[in-house]
Amino acid sequence: DAKTTQPNSMESNEEEPVHLPCNHSTISGTDYIHWYRQLPSQGPEYVIHGLTSNVNNRMASLAIAEDRKSSTLILHRATLRDAAVYYCILRDRAGGGADGLTFGKGTHLIIQP
Amino acid sequence: DAGITQSPRHKVTETGTPVTLRCHQTENHRYMYWYRQDPGHGLRLIHYSYGVKDTDKGEVSDGYSVSRSKTEDFLLTLESATSSQTSVYFCAISQDPYNEQFFGPGTRLTVL
Repeated sequence: DAKTTQPNSMESNEEEPVHLPCNHSTISGTDYIHWYRQLPSQGPEYVIHGLTSNVNNRMASLAIAEDRKSSTLILHRATLRDAAVYYCILRDRAGGGADGLTFGKGTHLIIQP
Repeated sequence: DAGITQSPRHKVTETGTPVTLRCHQTENHRYMYWYRQDPGHGLRLIHYSYGVKDTDKGEVSDGYSVSRSKTEDFLLTLESATSSQTSVYFCAISQDPYNEQFFGPGTRLTVL
């Protein structure tokens, strides 16, 4: 899987929007962009994924740059429960295999009350 | 939440002893995975399974073996535990390998 780059940490205030960036300049045409998060002392949790178009679900929105070399996970109104490590991961659909996710170090999101 | 459990949740053992961790799912998902998480390394894939009796190695498979005799159970075995295998172990399942994975609560293993 192609490599992603994320800031080590970010801080935001409760009830404000949060934009978490991810750079993936070597992304291939068949790479899907996945986001997971891991709350303290828990297993990772799927957040959202997309290929080219922006995506929305009940947890977040994913904005993908037109050249697909970067993406942004948007939490529309952060709560204290959103404090977690957020991982941006590329998954190649052309690989044909069932191998697992490749986690980087992610972004540690801190939410201030 | 996806029906996925891990047992035991915590274990302390001694170097050289065999250890088996169990992952159990009630979702009938085809794919199952074992990861370990260590400070400074994030999650790393140990082994995965794409069906009953079908398994393959991941990034850090040395010292580990797995078995899957039923859809619902995926076992991770440390034949002879070493201190370097002290870690938090997570199991994950997925119906489709390219869509979301659902993770279990983790097993904290300490090898003295």
